[in-house]
Amino acid sequence: EADIYQTPRYLVIGTGKKITLECSQTMGHDKMYWYQQDPGMELHLIHYSYGVNSTEKGDLSSESTVSRIRTEHFPLTLESARPSHTSQYLCASLTGFEAFFGQGTRLTVV
Amino acid sequence: DQQVKQNSPSLSVQEGRISILNCDYTNSMFDYFLWYKKYPAEGPTFLISISSIKDKNEDGRFTVFLNKSAKHLSLHIVPSQPGDSAVYFCAASARDFGNEKLTFGTGTRLTIIP
Repeated sequence: EADIYQTPRYLVIGTGKKITLECSQTMGHDKMYWYQQDPGMELHLIHYSYGVNSTEKGDLSSESTVSRIRTEHFPLTLESARPSHTSQYLCASLTGFEAFFGQGTRLTVV
Repeated sequence: DQQVKQNSPSLSVQEGRISILNCDYTNSMFDYFLWYKKYPAEGPTFLISISSIKDKNEDGRFTVFLNKSAKHLSLHIVPSQPGDSAVYFCAASARDFGNEKLTFGTGTRLTIIP
């Protein structure tokens, strides 16, 4: 069983608010990823990190930012939430080719 | 440009029969392929994988076939069980400057009919 956790699981928030989605893993993996998924769509890579102090933007442009100050922690921040940010956000860590996913955060911006 | 495609958004199969989920890819640099299973409100979980040097990998009821010349892979589940009802994502990986990234398809929703 994978040890990767995301909080909160569900979040409804007003437009303009700043939010941080938390992701933590206890497996010591260097590689961590954030994916965004809309219903019926593929998982889009929005951010990734290959280790502490390493962050890169993914294939899908996102207004969110990430940080990687500790190996186990990879939070995602939206400075000013908008309805277009409504989606499911999935965090994963990677060992070899296999990704372990958290349970996801379903974000709704009203 | 979608590099990993799952052209069937949904599939219904009778319990006990074989389920076949298909996936096509366009990037010749992909060298590892994976299938993930996703239940609603949960993150995807790893199911089975195959390296590009193989054409088949089997794990219990699950078998993945890879046809490199056709850039096609498929997941066979036999016999299908009600608990197999979920969304299945195909994913592919290519070395990117020495680091792996996974590219996912859009998923196929499998429904097993009791």
